[in-house]
Amino acid sequence: NAGVTQTPKFQVLKTGQSMTLQCAQDMNHEYMSWYRQDPGMGLRLIHYSVGAGITDQGEVPNGYNVSRSTTEDFPLRLLSAAPSQTSVYFCASSSPSTNEKLFFGSGTQLSVL
Amino acid sequence: AQSVAQPEDQVNVAEGNPLTVKCTYSVSGNPYLFWYVQYPNRGLQFLLKYITGDNLVKGSYGFEAEFNKSQTSFHLKKPSALVSDSALYFCAVSPISSASKIIFGSGTRLSIRP
Repeated sequence: NAGVTQTPKFQVLKTGQSMTLQCAQDMNHEYMSWYRQDPGMGLRLIHYSVGAGITDQGEVPNGYNVSRSTTEDFPLRLLSAAPSQTSVYFCASSSPSTNEKLFFGSGTQLSVL
Repeated sequence: AQSVAQPEDQVNVAEGNPLTVKCTYSVSGNPYLFWYVQYPNRGLQFLLKYITGDNLVKGSYGFEAEFNKSQTSFHLKKPSALVSDSALYFCAVSPISSASKIIFGSGTRLSIRP
């Protein structure tokens, strides 16, 4: 009964480093998305996907890449980390069968120094 | 483009009193509307959603929300607040035509005093 699994839970990077935040879901949901949460800004959509091989940009896509090679996985890549990317990142999945109700992972707290 | 506005950063209510957390939205076409809650050091939890039909939607923990198409609002309500309702609340919207793209508001912190 895992749901949406995000790894790692915590990460500290230096400016310019790259890394990948992992997200996997075991509910066979078609839709997956990445959000970042910042104080006073709420949740902002970074990228989303409606199925394997299909991704699209959200509100704040710059500095992030995604791919969706399988239904289960939706990794988020930071190409060259910047302090402005310090945030809490949430992955979510949903499906028309759930009327688009989002199931969230537990989040990744990322600090870029 | 779709957007959500939560005009109040914080709402303070005495326990036992009714509460309202405001949300207005902008979207092309008909919307899907949602409320989510985030308790301290925990993830986001679904409260309720409006898809179609009755304008008054009932959700978890005694919460309800009223969809008002003419005012493009979807305010969250509860008749009698509990201290345990203290949390961060998010309103969200997506157009039915692109239901996978869900946009959130900035959040409202609800504080219930005993």
